Amino acid sequence: GENVEQHPSTLSVQEGDSAVIKCTYSDSASNYFPWYKQELGKRPQLIIDIRSNVGEKKDQRIAVTLNKTAKHFSLHITETQPEDSAVYFCAASSDNYGQNFVFGPGTRLSVLP
Amino acid sequence: DARVTQTPRHKVTEMGQEVTMRCQPILGHNTVFWYRQTMMQGLELLAYFRNRAPLDDSGMPKDRFSAEMPDATLATLKIQPSEPRDSAVYFCASVNRGQTKFFGPGTRLTVL
Repeated sequence: GENVEQHPSTLSVQEGDSAVIKCTYSDSASNYFPWYKQELGKRPQLIIDIRSNVGEKKDQRIAVTLNKTAKHFSLHITETQPEDSAVYFCAASSDNYGQNFVFGPGTRLSVLP
Repeated sequence: DARVTQTPRHKVTEMGQEVTMRCQPILGHNTVFWYRQTMMQGLELLAYFRNRAPLDDSGMPKDRFSAEMPDATLATLKIQPSEPRDSAVYFCASVNRGQTKFFGPGTRLTVL
């Protein structure tokens, strides 16, 4: 089955700096890669996703890149703000519906004012 | 603003007791997931249903856990008997035809 690794496990950046979180996956058939953000005590929420036919996707300060050959994808957050502090989970899915995905272990991001 | 709801939000129980957690998916969503979240294991898939039929419960300890969807508006997760190692936050999530999972607020379970 699919296995998703995520690095780093914790990340601290100064406000205004960029943050990068990297994930690797094992199943070459995976074709959908979402990122979820979970604030302390809250539910995980989708922030961005990418499909295997696209190499990069951007939404304001957030971008995701995908390298299918190397089987890795990354989340980039620019101009970080204190409200970006949270745990970020990457995931990969290979089922036909793209709904049953395997989550990475998470990265705890702290943005220091 | 449609949301997944879960009850109870918090549950403290003693080892050996039965625990039932309930989830109401977003109306019209036909796929429902149960996840368990702990500090050590992250988000683990326990079971999921599509159109009320169980598709995968391989992540669930079968001897003590059971998951059902009595109808399209209710999913249940039961633990009997509960053990201290079951202490975790249990999330329900639902999806429609797309791929965006909408998570409920979670049930924080503490087994003493």
